[in-house]
Amino acid sequence: DVKVTQSSRYLVKRTGEKVFLECVQDMDHENMFWYRQDPGLGLRLIYFSYDVKMKEKGDIPEGYSVSREKKERFSLILESASTNQTSMYLCASSNRKSSYEQYFGPGTRLTVT
Amino acid sequence: TQLLEQSPQFLSIQEGENLTVYCNSSSVFSSLQWYRQEPGEGPVLLVTVVTGGEVKKLKRLTFQFGDARKDSSLHITAAQPGDTGLYLCAGDTSGTYKYIFGTGTRLKVLA
Repeated sequence: DVKVTQSSRYLVKRTGEKVFLECVQDMDHENMFWYRQDPGLGLRLIYFSYDVKMKEKGDIPEGYSVSREKKERFSLILESASTNQTSMYLCASSNRKSSYEQYFGPGTRLTVT
Repeated sequence: TQLLEQSPQFLSIQEGENLTVYCNSSSVFSSLQWYRQEPGEGPVLLVTVVTGGEVKKLKRLTFQFGDARKDSSLHITAAQPGDTGLYLCAGDTSGTYKYIFGTGTRLKVLA
């Protein structure tokens, strides 16, 4: 059974803290994505990676960075968390063999106070 | 940023009714996907359409890709409470693996 796991389901951080969100997939997918989901805005792409150590900015990369040192793991980093980064964060993976169907993790609901 | 608009944003209907959800854009898509997301979970793929005018059926769900590949619809026949969830369309404009997601339609089917 394919699986994408995220390190936390709920997270509460203070403004200015450095925040790490971890995502692991067990499907040997080459592509991995980080989205944030806000009511009425759908899913917005923050960053994606198409290979180890490769990354590209999505639509809303400001305030975020990413790291992909191993194929199965893709980390999202908030260097200095702000209240406007309170959101649901979703990780996904895909590959060419599955016609780029995206498999999503359960999400991390981050609250920045 | 390209935009995919879905309508309606919210829909509450009785069990047994039919409904249609729309996904529209000014961009042409090489492929379009529909996902359903249940509370506390990530979205799960329902279907991918790639050819203009294509119609796909998944039990009581019928998906159609517009002839010009700029829009799509999802029709549910005889809705059931198990159909409750957030429906998302996602389009690929460049033939790569990056999909733009729509704003979502939240459906509630009452027993």
